[in-house]
Amino acid sequence: DAEITQSPRHKITETGRQVTLACHQTWNHNNMFWYRQDLGHGLRLIHYSYGVQDTNKGEVSDGYSVSRSNTEDLPLTLESAASSQTSVYFCASSLLTGELFFGEGSRLTVL
Amino acid sequence: AQKITQTQPGMFVQEKEAVTLDCTYDTSDPSYGLFWYKQPSSGEMIFLIYQGSYDQQNATEGRYSLNFQKARKSANLVISASQLGDSAMYFCAMIGSSNTGKLIFGQGTTLQVKP
Repeated sequence: DAEITQSPRHKITETGRQVTLACHQTWNHNNMFWYRQDLGHGLRLIHYSYGVQDTNKGEVSDGYSVSRSNTEDLPLTLESAASSQTSVYFCASSLLTGELFFGEGSRLTVL
Repeated sequence: AQKITQTQPGMFVQEKEAVTLDCTYDTSDPSYGLFWYKQPSSGEMIFLIYQGSYDQQNATEGRYSLNFQKARKSANLVISASQLGDSAMYFCAMIGSSNTGKLIFGQGTTLQVKP
């Protein structure tokens, strides 16, 4: 069965460290997205990609970057982690205008 | 700009009763879609139901139905015959023709079903 997986599922890091969250999908979807979930804010879009070599900023992109070297993967990098980036991160993929398929989420704590 | 608003942070419902979760939206796109997702305490996001802006009938999926009122820009989720397993956070989301593929989410509503 096709799926979308995130790793690590839980991560604790220190302020200033670089962190990369992996996202891998086997749906062969062109669209991939990273959201963060915080209480009171719902899910907010960080970055997204419509295909290989394409990346775009979402509404809360400061401090984050992504790269898309193949269809399956969209890693999310925090260049210098800050406490404000403590959150639950969701990766998702979709066809052009369809339903989003979500990963299980990655809980990141920045101390 | 597009916006989704869920004004009920938390709700309670008695088991076996129906409950309505509110969602209002704002968009200038002529074509758009509305989604509801469920997030149980385990954290995964589960797709429930979809309504297209040009769909003539309200969407239904089992015990879930979407009360779509286009003129009022509302897309309320109705859960009939609530079950204990319906206790979760529920998110309304929108996709528009001007933001290809991107879903915008509301703040979420936490539903607790009482036995």
